[in-house]
Amino acid sequence: EDQVTQSPEALRLQEGESSSLNCSYTVSGLRGLFWYRQDPGKGPEFLFTLYSAGEEKEKERLKATLTKKESFLHITAPKPEDSATYLCAVQPPFLNTGFQKLVFGTGTRLLVSP
Amino acid sequence: NAGVTQTPKFRVLKTGQSMTLLCAQDMNHEYMYWYRQDPGMGLRLIHYSVGEGTTAKGEVPDGYNVSRLKKQNFLLGLESAAPSQTSVYFCASRAGVDVTDTQYFGPGTRLTVL
Repeated sequence: EDQVTQSPEALRLQEGESSSLNCSYTVSGLRGLFWYRQDPGKGPEFLFTLYSAGEEKEKERLKATLTKKESFLHITAPKPEDSATYLCAVQPPFLNTGFQKLVFGTGTRLLVSP
Repeated sequence: NAGVTQTPKFRVLKTGQSMTLLCAQDMNHEYMYWYRQDPGMGLRLIHYSVGEGTTAKGEVPDGYNVSRLKKQNFLLGLESAAPSQTSVYFCASRAGVDVTDTQYFGPGTRLTVL
């Protein structure tokens, strides 16, 4: 069964303290990996799509990278406004049923203190 | 362009009552999804639709029904609410299932069943 595991479950950083969030997956034949940000009381907001191992995407203080087994979301010099839950999701290969669904991890709750 | 909207934002039901959650999208997307999000369990797919007039079961469909009479709307019904259905419900839409198609989420409905 396709699985996505995110670690750590929660992470507390001081403002300016860089770190990384991990998303590991067991999908073979991955077609894409997605990162979302979710603020409390809101829906997930799309950040990045990564398509193949070695790919990197950047947005402000965030950089997402992808290997054959996992993805990292690097946060450089975070600010309090980066506090949120970060979700990753994978898109497996097409099934014979033709139905495609994203498989989500349970997220990492990030808190950045001033 | 409002994206994905959900009505209502909050609702409290008594056990056995029924209700309908409405999801609307203005992006002309073919695919629509209903998820529930519970602490520690991530996003779980309830039902989905691959186009107007179609619906199908996801991972956790029991106790829910859906309808997609118009392309832009996807309704989630609870016929006889149970406390186990207390959750946050998210609707999402996607143009297609190519890996380049971003899945967009609504703001969520927080449902409490007493």
